[in-house]
Amino acid sequence: DTGVSQNPRHKITKRGQNVTFRCDPISEHNRLYWYRQTLGQGPEFLTYFQNEAQLEKSRLLSDRFSAERPKGSFSTLEIQRTEQGDSAMYLCASSPTGGSNQPQHFGDGTRLSIL
Amino acid sequence: AQSVTQPDIHITVSEGASLELRCNYSYGATPYLFWYVQSPGQGLQLLLKYFSGDTLVQGIKGFEAEFKRSQSSFNLRKPSVHWSDAAEYFCAGVFTGGGNKLTFGTGTQLKVEL
Repeated sequence: DTGVSQNPRHKITKRGQNVTFRCDPISEHNRLYWYRQTLGQGPEFLTYFQNEAQLEKSRLLSDRFSAERPKGSFSTLEIQRTEQGDSAMYLCASSPTGGSNQPQHFGDGTRLSIL
Repeated sequence: AQSVTQPDIHITVSEGASLELRCNYSYGATPYLFWYVQSPGQGLQLLLKYFSGDTLVQGIKGFEAEFKRSQSSFNLRKPSVHWSDAAEYFCAGVFTGGGNKLTFGTGTQLKVEL
């Protein structure tokens, strides 16, 4: 069990640029989640996949955000035309199939800074 | 609306003292409840979870939490705090009808004085 892996750990970019983050879940987990955490707040849910199917998206996920999980393994989160308000920690989590009581295991996150 | 509240933003305790971090939820039914810990610049580590049954649950690192339905609370406790416990602690719930997403409280920052 190598844990949830996220890359890059840090990303600094200029406003208006596009960025893409990657998440590799724990290998036997087929559920994958993305959360966003701003300073001094708890993580907020963005979206959730079961295998390759995106089953739920938060209203926080504007049309500039897109997430994919093409083969049901790793996932990418892309932000287009980044804005200052996108600066945050982006966390990925995974869990095995089962009920909603399956605990989610988190990666160390990608910290995005918009200049 | 479904929500998780952590009333204490910051707590300071002396090393060796006992600790209690408060968590309340707002929901008609009992959610699945979790406590996570986050060190600076890191992701979240699961401390313990409550689904049903025994109201006192044991977790890692000597932590425990007690579920009280009458108070809609799920407080985290530790009998003797170590300096390495300094971190941010998050209470979270999964609510029926809310999919599988976690709803987090705003966190409690724990400082440990030596």
